[in-house]
Amino acid sequence: IVLTQSPGTLSLSPGERATLSCRASQSISSSYLAWYQQKPGQAPRLLIYGASTRATGIPDRFSGSGSGTDFTLTISRLESEDFAVYYCQHYGSSLRYTFGQGTTLEIK
Amino acid sequence: VQLVGSGGGLIQPGGSLRLSCAASGFSVSTNYMSWVRQAPGKGLEWVSVIHSDGNTDYADSVKGRFIISRDNSNNTLFLQMNSLRAEDTALYFCAKSRLRRSFDIWGQGALVTVSS
Repeated sequence: IVLTQSPGTLSLSPGERATLSCRASQSISSSYLAWYQQKPGQAPRLLIYGASTRATGIPDRFSGSGSGTDFTLTISRLESEDFAVYYCQHYGSSLRYTFGQGTTLEIK
Repeated sequence: VQLVGSGGGLIQPGGSLRLSCAASGFSVSTNYMSWVRQAPGKGLEWVSVIHSDGNTDYADSVKGRFIISRDNSNNTLFLQMNSLRAEDTALYFCAKSRLRRSFDIWGQGALVTVSS
């Protein structure tokens, strides 16, 4: 299964709403779809698992949705610390893990 | 709860290197543990996993060259990397799986540079 994220780069201003897409090459269970945030020089941080459940300590401005082949990460009101790279990830029936190529969220 | 990785460095093509990842606050033996790498300026690539029952799996790009293992008594995860290639140059993260499906705890990363 290939995960394709779009857009590659998203330029927005603080306070705006961000919508990031992750499309799977075939239908997947939402239970196995996660989202991560990575800032420069840091390890990734788990944001969302099971497509829509926020991980511990993640602010409620982050939300995930979707099913089948189309999944979305939404950040309702961007704060300065949200500008980073975001990855979706799937755990498949092959018992292997796949990441999307990432979306860079940059300050406009 | 944390993972602390070590063992990175500069190695010549064809050489070997072993990465370590010490866990605290949880047991590596009862969790799925993985290595994930990130080439400079690139995205994340899953490398290998060791299941709680000891079974292992590898990405095709490293299969036959890398070996994942763990030391339960020292609560440490390892990645033995052999026959290293330039394309193995990356920051290697160890990571704990949450219910097998995602990665909820990450190490800080160990940089491996394969170059002559």
